[in-house]
Amino acid sequence: DAGITQSPRYKITETGRQVTLMCHQTWSHSYMFWYRQDLGHGLRLIYYSAAADITDKGEVPDGYVVSRSKTENFPLTLESATRSQTSVYFCASSPPNSPLHFGNGTRLTVT
Amino acid sequence: ILNVEQSPQSLHVQEGDSTNFTCSFPSSNFYALHWYRWETAKSPEALFVMTLNGDEKKKGRISATLNTKEGYSYLYIKGSQPEDSATYLCAFFAKRANNLFFGTGTRLTVIP
Repeated sequence: DAGITQSPRYKITETGRQVTLMCHQTWSHSYMFWYRQDLGHGLRLIYYSAAADITDKGEVPDGYVVSRSKTENFPLTLESATRSQTSVYFCASSPPNSPLHFGNGTRLTVT
Repeated sequence: ILNVEQSPQSLHVQEGDSTNFTCSFPSSNFYALHWYRWETAKSPEALFVMTLNGDEKKKGRISATLNTKEGYSYLYIKGSQPEDSATYLCAFFAKRANNLFFGTGTRLTVIP
């Protein structure tokens, strides 16, 4: 099915563990984004990518790593999870100069 | 980091009322302004992408206007219905940036 999918939908992990959130889109959109949703802050950009092998930091990149070896995938890795990274994470994709298409989100809890 | 402000933060209206809310953004380096509708437990969905000063967009009972010189956009909902209840997000796309800066949203509740 065409679209953008995130996995897992829910994840509980412990402080200090590494965790990777997956994002896959089937449209071959050039742009992909990772946002986190926090109360009082709305959506804050973590990292984005304008094309395969090109990634840039957003507003809140610390503690996160991304890669984009293929156009369709944009995984987000928390290298050593902290409680402050408990959040809902949204991946999005778009062609240039077009609205974003969002995935369904991943709810991450760090204990 | 660019400051995108939305007001009010939340709004309760009666079914049938018309309403509007505001998105303010930096007037310099403007490239595009997006509006999204975000229902609880779902992901944001695009309503409009606006690029030209004076632009007006309409989708059913929802419309939006854009003033890039003074840095604001209005979203209007005519004859609000309970299914319009959602958070409405605006996002600013600046020149020389490749990403969107979102406001914190206006949470609309339409009371039947």
